[in-house]
Amino acid sequence: QKEVEQDPGPLSVPEGAIVSLNCTYSNSAFQYFMWYRQYSRKGPELLMYTYSSGNKEDGRFTAQVDKSSKYISLFIRDSQPSDSATYLCAMSGLIQGAQKLVFGQGTRLTINP
Amino acid sequence: GAGVSQSPSNKVTEKGKDVELRCDPISGHTALYWYRQSLGQGLEFLIYFQGNSAPDKSGLPSDRFSAERTGGSVSTLTIQRTQQEDSAVYLCASKVETQYFGPGTRLLVL
Repeated sequence: QKEVEQDPGPLSVPEGAIVSLNCTYSNSAFQYFMWYRQYSRKGPELLMYTYSSGNKEDGRFTAQVDKSSKYISLFIRDSQPSDSATYLCAMSGLIQGAQKLVFGQGTRLTINP
Repeated sequence: GAGVSQSPSNKVTEKGKDVELRCDPISGHTALYWYRQSLGQGLEFLIYFQGNSAPDKSGLPSDRFSAERTGGSVSTLTIQRTQQEDSAVYLCASKVETQYFGPGTRLLVL
């Protein structure tokens, strides 16, 4: 079992739709949760960063963390064609004495005009 | 600089040759990471530097891979005797609280 599971998609939705992207994890030591967006032929860029369970909102993006279920989500409201990219979840924590960061496989998202 | 830079942006080499990939982190970032991303795959951790030392090299796939960092700044990832399976995008990131990635070096081994 992978430490972080993310559906690779691809996911294709019409412009304006609400998008839900999800990751599950197995290690309760993960304490910090991130979402990265990666455009084609570019490096990943940090989109959202959360620590605690609950919701964090930034414009059209909402990151949700449920530590009890080991489940994180990223919601995109009023999706735009410019949101088309690969979205990677990432999580970090102190594991076996070392700070460890693990990425999901990434979900490829296409927003159709 | 404004962000993490990597060079070259693209590299095509022949099987068996050595390659060097360079990363210039954000000024002042003491932590530096190397990852590999194969087509359609997530990020595979390779090595982590804190300053000039590498406390975690656990992701290096074989002894053909090595990395160094000098002056707490620039890092070089070297792949010796390249194989076709080494073809991937090699990403570097530097960090204070969270990681900021460079654009990557696309390596193609023919």
